[in-house]
Amino acid sequence: NAGVTQTPKFRVLKTGQSMTLLCAQDMNHEYMYWYRQDPGMGLRLIHYSVGEGTTAKGEVPDGYNVSRLKKQNFLLGLESAAPSQTSVYFCASSYSAREAFFGQGTRLTVV
Amino acid sequence: SQQGEEDPQALSIQEGENATMNCSYKTSINNLQWYRQNSGRGLVHLILIRSNEREKHSGRLRVTLDTSKKSSSLLITASRAADTASYFCATDGRAGSARQLTFGSGTQLTVLP
Repeated sequence: NAGVTQTPKFRVLKTGQSMTLLCAQDMNHEYMYWYRQDPGMGLRLIHYSVGEGTTAKGEVPDGYNVSRLKKQNFLLGLESAAPSQTSVYFCASSYSAREAFFGQGTRLTVV
Repeated sequence: SQQGEEDPQALSIQEGENATMNCSYKTSINNLQWYRQNSGRGLVHLILIRSNEREKHSGRLRVTLDTSKKSSSLLITASRAADTASYFCATDGRAGSARQLTFGSGTQLTVLP
């Protein structure tokens, strides 16, 4: 039982490049979330999904897009990376906004 | 803005002492949760308290919830050096028909041996 798996774990991008972060969960959870965590701050919600084929904006959605084509996967895309997107990104899944299970994070640096 | 705000931002205590962290939130909730994060790791769920509950225990953890004041507290009794971590409260708010889980800014707890 892997829980929530994020790939990649580390990435360095140049400004303007694009990339996709993958989150996979094997717990059949309906809810999935993408957060970013910056030094001294808590987790800020980027986008979330309440089921396959659905997505919704969170607190800080600008510059990001998401897709939930399969129930077990939630993809976060950066179309044109900016230095302000340097952060640690966490994916989580849960059953109906209850106990959430987190991945180990993706440390992204945009130079 | 974030739904939950923890207080204090940082707390340093001696091993064996109790640690109390507080969380305030803004809107009505279905439940409130506390999570722990060790440095460089993902968050781990500690305890969930429903909006109709006032107190809940789990091992050395005690959580209280006061919905009239929109606040919660997490008490860790007989702290250990291994309790050193950041602690976050999370609330489930409703945006339209969906429920989203939002986190506060956290309390950094340091337990000195």
